[in-house]
Amino acid sequence: EDKVVQSPLSLVVHEGDTVTLNCSYEVTNFRSLLWYKQEKKAPTFLFMLTSSGIEKKSGRLSSILDKKELFSILNITATQTGDSAVYLCAVVGGTSYGKLTFGQGTILTVHP
Amino acid sequence: SAVISQKPSRDICQRGTSLTIQCQVDSQVTMMFWYRQQPGQSLTLIATANQGSEATYESGFVIDKFPISRPNLTFSTLTVSNMSPEDSSIYLCSVEDPTGEDTQYFGPGTRLTVL
Repeated sequence: EDKVVQSPLSLVVHEGDTVTLNCSYEVTNFRSLLWYKQEKKAPTFLFMLTSSGIEKKSGRLSSILDKKELFSILNITATQTGDSAVYLCAVVGGTSYGKLTFGQGTILTVHP
Repeated sequence: SAVISQKPSRDICQRGTSLTIQCQVDSQVTMMFWYRQQPGQSLTLIATANQGSEATYESGFVIDKFPISRPNLTFSTLTVSNMSPEDSSIYLCSVEDPTGEDTQYFGPGTRLTVL
C-alpha cells in the first residue's frame, strides 16, 4: 500500500526561526512529489519535485527530493506569522493515474 | 494554474438527506478529482472523474454513496447520499495542471456538517 509519512506532526517556532519539514514515502510507480500549504480549506500548491538533488526555491521556501532515500524536505527561512498553516506532502504514483497520496501534514505555528 | 470554484462553500444537513457539490473550472481539463478531508485528517481521494466515462472510485468508496457526474470538460458534481454524521468532512475537487504536469490545483472546498 502506498504510504507518505510527514514529520514532525506539529511544530511551534518564533518569527525569524528556520524550520525543516520532512516527508518520506513508499509508492509504486513514483512520478513526482508535491508540497502544499493549507490554511483554511483549500491546499495551495508550493512545489513539484521530480528529480533528485535539484532544489526548488520560491522566496523563503525551498525544497529538495532524494529519490534514492525516498524523502523530501521543505525549508522555510526567516519564518513569519503568515507561514502558520498545515503543510502537506503528496506523492503522485501508485496504480490510479493522477492519484495524489497525502501525508498527515505538519501543523506549523509561528509566534510573533 | 487553474481557477476553481465550488458550491456550496459550507452546509449543515440532516442525516438521511443528500447534498450535491458543484465544481467549476475556468479551463478545459480532462481529469477532475474529488477528495475528502475528515476532521483532523489528511486528504483522501474519493474518485477520479473523466469526461465521457464513468468515474473511477478508490477502495472504500462506492458509486451509490458518492455518485459523480462529469457532463463536460469544465464541470463536475459530487453527491453525498443518505448522509450520516460520519460524512462530516471537507470535500475538495481538484484538477490536473492544464499543461499536463502532475500538479493538481484545488478548489476552495465544501465544509459539510451532518447532524
